[in-house]
Amino acid sequence: GQNIDQPTEMTATEGAIVQINCTYQTSGFNGLFWYQQHAGEAPTFLSYNVLDGLEEKGRFSSFLSRSKGYSYLLLKELQMKDSASYLCAVRDSNYQLIWGAGTKLIIKP
Amino acid sequence: IAGITQAPTSQILAAGRRMTLRCTQDMRHNAMYWYRQDLGLGLRLIHYSNTAGTTGKGEVPDGYSVSRANTDDFPLTLASAVPSQTSVYFCASSLSGDGNQPQHFGDGTRLSIL
Repeated sequence: GQNIDQPTEMTATEGAIVQINCTYQTSGFNGLFWYQQHAGEAPTFLSYNVLDGLEEKGRFSSFLSRSKGYSYLLLKELQMKDSASYLCAVRDSNYQLIWGAGTKLIIKP
Repeated sequence: IAGITQAPTSQILAAGRRMTLRCTQDMRHNAMYWYRQDLGLGLRLIHYSNTAGTTGKGEVPDGYSVSRANTDDFPLTLASAVPSQTSVYFCASSLSGDGNQPQHFGDGTRLSIL
């Protein structure tokens, strides 16, 4: 079967750095996406990785290792508004997105 | 403002009733999707359409049907609602069904079946 694993919940301090991990086992791989979802709102696109390595976009970076079936999202200089759920999704061989259950990130002052 | 519009925002429905959730996008995206999101689970694909006139089944299609008569609209119908269909439903679209284009989401419909 297909599986995406993420921690259920993480807590971090305002101004700090946090790394959210995602491991996957899917039938094929055609890219990995990270989305942010605030409570009661729609998911919004953060980043996309298809090749191994680090993609940086402002305070957010995403890393991919295809051989290990592993990705992480790195958030720097945390702000209170970063409190949200972070969803990892892998595009499989049929080009459908397989979604993790999401990691709820709690930011404390 | 370009984007995806879902209606209704929320609905309480008696079991056994028929219900259509509406989704319209004005981004001229070819691909559209319906997901349900339940607590503790990832988004699960119900149905999708890679282009107008075609549809496909996702992971959890039973009890749901869709149509794609044109590029902009992608309604989801529950023929006879059951309590297990209580969920938050998201419509999404992307420029194409493959490639690296991200999916863009509507604000969701919160559906409760009693």
